Amino acid sequence: DQQVKQNSPSLSVQEGRISILNCDYTNSMFDYFLWYKKYPAEGPTFLISISSIKDKNEDGRFTVFLNKSAKHLSLHIVPSQPGDSAVYFCAASAPYDYKLSFGAGTTVTVRA
Amino acid sequence: DVKVTQSSRYLVKRTGEKVFLECVQDMDHENMFWYRQDPGLGLRLIYFSYDVKMKEKGDIPEGYSVSREKKERFSLILESASTNQTSMYLCASSTSGRYTGELFFGEGSRLTVL
Repeated sequence: DQQVKQNSPSLSVQEGRISILNCDYTNSMFDYFLWYKKYPAEGPTFLISISSIKDKNEDGRFTVFLNKSAKHLSLHIVPSQPGDSAVYFCAASAPYDYKLSFGAGTTVTVRA
Repeated sequence: DVKVTQSSRYLVKRTGEKVFLECVQDMDHENMFWYRQDPGLGLRLIYFSYDVKMKEKGDIPEGYSVSREKKERFSLILESASTNQTSMYLCASSTSGRYTGELFFGEGSRLTVL
């Protein structure tokens, strides 16, 4: 059973507007969360992360919000650019756990 | 430039063949991982290794084995390939520590089993 869920398989947004990607998790032991971006025929690359002691982390156009009580996190991309068109994976880990659990991914398409 | 290199980008194999997927990292990372990526399922962990000669099963180890004889190299072996193992295989590495932290991925190996 997937412990990290991305319920929206795809998202289409106009260039310059905000993209909001959502992620839910079920394992209350998770305390570190990451977003990865993947282009076709390439491996995923790290985008941004957040630990459970924070509720927000910002890096340029990318902001991740964490709501621990709801077991929910979201990634905001503002403004969206054509180069942001990719698959975005949400991932989570528990303390001292070697591995990450990934969601199914959300494909973002930014329209010109 | 740090790198995770997977030996083959594209492979086509026949059912029953033995398949080796090789992965090398140049970052002196302790941890190495093999994931497979399938549409609608995301990335699922097959096996990982936290040290030389150490291995742990991930979520979907059936039909796979691994080998880590040197710190920089982690191999995935399909003893007898089957059509349901057609997938994109991704190798990754990371440092140890409080958090698993950032994984560095290779470019992937697209395997087709006929």
